[in-house]
Formats: sequence, C-alpha cells, structure tokens
Amino acid sequence: QITLKESGPTLVKPTQTLTLTCTFSGFSLSTSGVGVGWIRQPPGKALEWLALIYWDDDKRYSPSLKSRLTITKDTSKNQVVLTMTNMDPVDTATYYCAHRRRSGSYYYFDYWGQGTLVTVSS
Amino acid sequence: SYELTQPPSVSVSPGQTARITCSGDALPKQYAYWYQQKPGQAPVLVIYKDSERPSGIPERFSGSSSGTTVTLTISGVQAEDEADYYCQSADSSGTYPLVFGGGTKLTVL
Repeated sequence: QITLKESGPTLVKPTQTLTLTCTFSGFSLSTSGVGVGWIRQPPGKALEWLALIYWDDDKRYSPSLKSRLTITKDTSKNQVVLTMTNMDPVDTATYYCAHRRRSGSYYYFDYWGQGTLVTVSS
Repeated sequence: SYELTQPPSVSVSPGQTARITCSGDALPKQYAYWYQQKPGQAPVLVIYKDSERPSGIPERFSGSSSGTTVTLTISGVQAEDEADYYCQSADSSGTYPLVFGGGTKLTVL
C-alpha cells in the first residue's frame, strides 16, 4: 500500500526558506518509472504544480517558480525534500506531495499525501 | 504560460448527467487527467489518459476528448459526487510539463 506524508513548519516568516519533507512507503524511488511531485493549493483556490523528481534523478520545476525551488530525494530514507526560498504571504497554502506512476510513456499522480498547511506571516 | 480552462461551476440534480469541460490548445496532443477533491481532503484521480478509469472509481465516471476540449462525464450523479474537479495536462513544447485547470465546483442540487 502506497502512503505519503508531508512534514515541515506550519508557520514561516516572509523572506525565510521553507523546507518540506515527503516521507513515503509502499514504493521505492529507485524503481524505474516512479516519481514524486509537489503540488500546492492556496486556501479556496486551485491546485498548482511545483516540482517533480523521478527515479533517475530527472527534475522538473514550474517555470514560474523555478528560481525559488529545489527538489531532492534520499532513496535510503524514502524521502523527497522541497525547498522554497524567499517565502511571501502569497505562498500560504496547503502543500501536497504525490506519487507519480508511469503508464506507457505518460505519468500521472495516483496517490497523494494528506497535505500540510503552511502559513507565511510575520 | 499554458492554461487549461474549466467552468467555475456546474450544477445537476441527483440522477442526472454532469459534464465538466476542460479546454487547452495542446489537448489534441497531450492526455488529460481528472482529479476529484472533496472539502478538506486530498485530490483523488478519477480519470487518466483522457478516458481510463483507475480501479475503485465507479463506472459512472468517464472521460472523452475532442479537439482542444476534454470532458469529464458523471452519469447518474449522486450526492457524494459533489466536489471540486480539476483537469491536468501539459503543453506540447515541454515548457509546462504539468498544468492544472482552475477547477470546477460540482453542486448536486
């Protein structure tokens, strides 16, 4: 059974760097065709994709946030870490991590974590 | 930027058919995926690769594609289907490998 859980601070100050950890079980990020992504959702608003990392360490970032994001994986710990620099109140959102599965040459999110609410405020 | 356009809201009575559309220039070349999100919960995949249904998703959920528009159809809508629905796809150049639509609130009257 695949499970994912996000962890990190619930409150960060403007200009600080946010570090979120996704700890997962039921799959390995060293298995071909597997990926993990980060998605956020401001209160009352739509989903927004942030970053992806794959088993082969291929990384993709949202073009609009690329300069602020870094995604890494620790296969031995079954963890994926997302850092976002220069946090602003508009970054207040629930942050989700999700398992990315391959179907042929296409990928989709099939399992999601419960999400963690991050508030940016001084 | 690349955008997927959804209607903000759709309303149907129980037992009727709900159709939620998603439009994007690259949809003729890229698959679409649909997620259901109920209040306070994480999204759940209901359709992948335009029309495939994951295991455990009721048969009343189906997807189709025509040109630059994909459609999520819920036949025989039930009260439990009331939720936000998001389409997701990508642009054709690879610049935007993952984009979500703005979401559609399905209200069961």
